[in-house]
Amino acid sequence: EAQVTQNPRYLITVTGKKLTVTCSQNMNHEYMSWYRQDPGLGLRQIYYSMNVEVTDKGDVPEGYKVSRKEKRNFPLILESPSPNQTSLYFCASSFEPQALGKLFFGSGTQLSVL
Amino acid sequence: GENVEQHPSTLSVQEGDSAVIKCTYSDSASNYFPWYKQELGKGPQLIIDIRSNVGEKKDQRIAVTLNKTAKHFSLHITETQPEDSAVYFCAATPYSGGGADGLTFGKGTHLIIQP
Repeated sequence: EAQVTQNPRYLITVTGKKLTVTCSQNMNHEYMSWYRQDPGLGLRQIYYSMNVEVTDKGDVPEGYKVSRKEKRNFPLILESPSPNQTSLYFCASSFEPQALGKLFFGSGTQLSVL
Repeated sequence: GENVEQHPSTLSVQEGDSAVIKCTYSDSASNYFPWYKQELGKGPQLIIDIRSNVGEKKDQRIAVTLNKTAKHFSLHITETQPEDSAVYFCAATPYSGGGADGLTFGKGTHLIIQP
């Protein structure tokens, strides 16, 4: 089944403790992206990747890192999480750069930073 | 950059009635306008999209219209059913084909279908 898989689904952590949210897609998509969803703010792009070893900042990149060593994986790294990073996170992928392709989203990761 | 405004934030309609969600965008270069549906506990899913060379597109009970002059586009759902209850997001992008222009999403509309 074609899908984008995120883990974990729920995560509670404390300020400053490094964490990684994993994302994997099995559709051989070139484009992958991370979004955060906050009440009243909709979906905002954090980082995106056009292909392996190619990443770039989205609208709200501060406090986040990503890497794209393999085509299927695109982990989101929070080196020193803070409470304002409490949010619902979505990974997405597309065969083409997203404007011309269909974005497939994962099921989300609800992160709480205490 | 692009700015997308979406209204209303909440819409409640009786089952069987029609629902309309409206979005406006700021960048006249935007040329691709998708709509996503997010059910409770799930990620958004593309339900319909329209490109700037088309004024209207239909898929069964859903349709999208685009007015490039006024820079607004709308989602129309007819004969609403309980399974239409969800949060709907519009988006826009001035994709040029060579760069990495991203989708700018609206803030979402929570559609509630009343039985």
